[in-house]
Amino acid sequence: EIVLTQSPGTLSLSPGEGATLSCRASQNVRSNYLVWYQQKPGQTPRLLIYGASTRATGIPDRFSGSGSGTDFTLNISRLEPEDFAVYYCQQYGSSVWTFGQGTKVEV
Amino acid sequence: QVQLVESGGGVVQPGRSLRLSCTASGFTFSNYAIHWVRQAPGKGLEWLAVISYDGNNKEYADSVKGRFTLSRDNVKNTVFLQMNSLRGDDTAVYFCARLVYNWDEVGSHWGQGTLVTVSS
Repeated sequence: EIVLTQSPGTLSLSPGEGATLSCRASQNVRSNYLVWYQQKPGQTPRLLIYGASTRATGIPDRFSGSGSGTDFTLNISRLEPEDFAVYYCQQYGSSVWTFGQGTKVEV
Repeated sequence: QVQLVESGGGVVQPGRSLRLSCTASGFTFSNYAIHWVRQAPGKGLEWLAVISYDGNNKEYADSVKGRFTLSRDNVKNTVFLQMNSLRGDDTAVYFCARLVYNWDEVGSHWGQGTLVTVSS
């Protein structure tokens, strides 16, 4: 299984600031098949980015994904109050998919 | 609209079995793979397994391989997750999901989850 390690575990920021979240894979993610999700308490995950860098429908352009191979990044350019949540990366490049352990973005 | 509804959760003793169901509507069920993901209380998401559109291919995470088994009934639009030899660390909310990340189709649809508590 590909292990995804997200860092930092918690990011303490203020609205208006930028956020950089990292996701590192234990081996190459085939074709950069990596997605990013946002999850708020009591809600199911919301797809933000697929294919490492393509925003899903309806996702604001302040969210951007980048990276390839084993190193991937989610950037949030200017945090809005509704962006404080937990973010997960997930790889779908192997037959067994895996999630990272999550990064909490808090005020 | 795409809808997925899980059922079958509850309290079960360690070592016992439980079968979860995921019933779908709003799309052509037999065209899509279905995934299961769980989330322990206060913890992160854990991908568990996937069954192909026709039920012929299944993949499992190491944590559940050999204990959990997937099957599906494309007439009843339902996927089943048979969970055997349950342990305390299997306590979680179990979600079924239709996850598609292709260039010509992208969609992430989740059920609301069903809680499984493994406790004596």
